[in-house]
Amino acid sequence: DIQMTQSPSSLSASVRDRVTITCRASQTITTHLNWYQQKPGKAPDLLISGASISQTGVPSRFSGSGSGTDFTLTISNLQPEDFATYYCQQTYSLPVTFGGGTKVYI
Amino acid sequence: EVQLVDSGGGLVQPGASLRLSCAASGFTFNTYAMAWVRQTPGERLEWVSSIGSGGVPTNYADSVMGRFTVSRDNSKNTLYLQMNSLRDEDTAVYFCAKYMGSSGTSLRTFDNWGQGTLVTVAS
Repeated sequence: DIQMTQSPSSLSASVRDRVTITCRASQTITTHLNWYQQKPGKAPDLLISGASISQTGVPSRFSGSGSGTDFTLTISNLQPEDFATYYCQQTYSLPVTFGGGTKVYI
Repeated sequence: EVQLVDSGGGLVQPGASLRLSCAASGFTFNTYAMAWVRQTPGERLEWVSSIGSGGVPTNYADSVMGRFTVSRDNSKNTLYLQMNSLRDEDTAVYFCAKYMGSSGTSLRTFDNWGQGTLVTVAS
């Protein structure tokens, strides 16, 4: 199975900050990497697919980059509604696997 | 608007069975593969099973192989997960999820999720 390692596991930030979350795969996954946002009590919400393709309706302050084994989710100008947990997911091969999550809090 | 409504969770003893359902609407259900994903009490996300748009192929995580069975009824726009021989470690919130597409980076990408149903396995 492909292991996905996210860092940090949590981070403290303030409104208007720029936040970077990283995700590393245990083997190459080309650009088969997604990012999800999850708020308490809710299902995950797809933000970015294919490593860098933002979904319709996702604010432009969210961006993804990377390929191969190393990936980054950047949130520029952090807003109050962005405080949540973020997960990466590889879809390169079954079983699909998720990172452990990064909780962004105030 | 795509809607996925999960149901069927509950508190059961180890060794018991449970069937989860996911009622889908707002899209052409029989043209999309679907999946079950669970979230453990430690908030880790785990893919459980997937099923093709027509009912095949089916795939399972090693941890549930031989105990869980995924199925779908396209005439009822409903996805199912039959869970047998439940264990403590199956305790989780179970989400159904829709595949975004059938190829490239859309494959196995989940663009819509149900609200989740809680399964608790405890004696």
